[in-house]
Amino acid sequence: GQNIDQPTEMTATEGAIVQINCTYQTSGFNGLFWYQQHAGEAPTFLSYNVLDGLEEKGRFSSFLSRSKGYSYLLLKELQMKDSASYLCAPLGAGSYQLTFGKGTKLSVIP
Amino acid sequence: DTAVSQTPKYLVTQMGNDKSIKCEQNLGHDTMYWYKQDSKKFLKIMFSYNNKELIINETVPNRFSPKSPDKAHLNLHINSLELGDSAVYFCASSQGGLFWQYFGPGTRLTVT
Repeated sequence: GQNIDQPTEMTATEGAIVQINCTYQTSGFNGLFWYQQHAGEAPTFLSYNVLDGLEEKGRFSSFLSRSKGYSYLLLKELQMKDSASYLCAPLGAGSYQLTFGKGTKLSVIP
Repeated sequence: DTAVSQTPKYLVTQMGNDKSIKCEQNLGHDTMYWYKQDSKKFLKIMFSYNNKELIINETVPNRFSPKSPDKAHLNLHINSLELGDSAVYFCASSQGGLFWQYFGPGTRLTVT
């Protein structure tokens, strides 16, 4: 089975940097996705890591350590529109089997 | 030019009824999914189809029956609706299983 753990809620200030952590246990591993979901909307793809290290994409970066079963999403220069839930989703051995964590609700305050 | 579309967006119905939700993608993807997101916002996969064939069928009551008439469509039929079926149902698609998934806008189902 798969076990995913991420904080339920976080609050950060506009312009600041926030790191959202995710630990996971999967049956096999084919990469890890981060999705963003605004309230009442569909999840949208943010990043994908399959090898260890940091992937940077504008204000967002995602890090993976496969040996530790650990990933984080780093958001820089926070904007009010970044207030959303961030879902960690490892891809298990069978592929197609994307399991989502419960998500971290990020609130950005002025 | 919507990539993944679902109809209806909202569905309110009574217990015991049968209803269907339709999903279409125009991305040319070969894999489609149905997810359920409950009131606690937990997004859980229900089914996955690859090239019209069922490849994932999680522990879902057999009142739920997916149907894929072609690669671009995956419909979800629900029989004998129960209160616990109230949730947002998301359709998604991807090219194969190792790529990110595009989600539809969701169908909010309310069973009264």
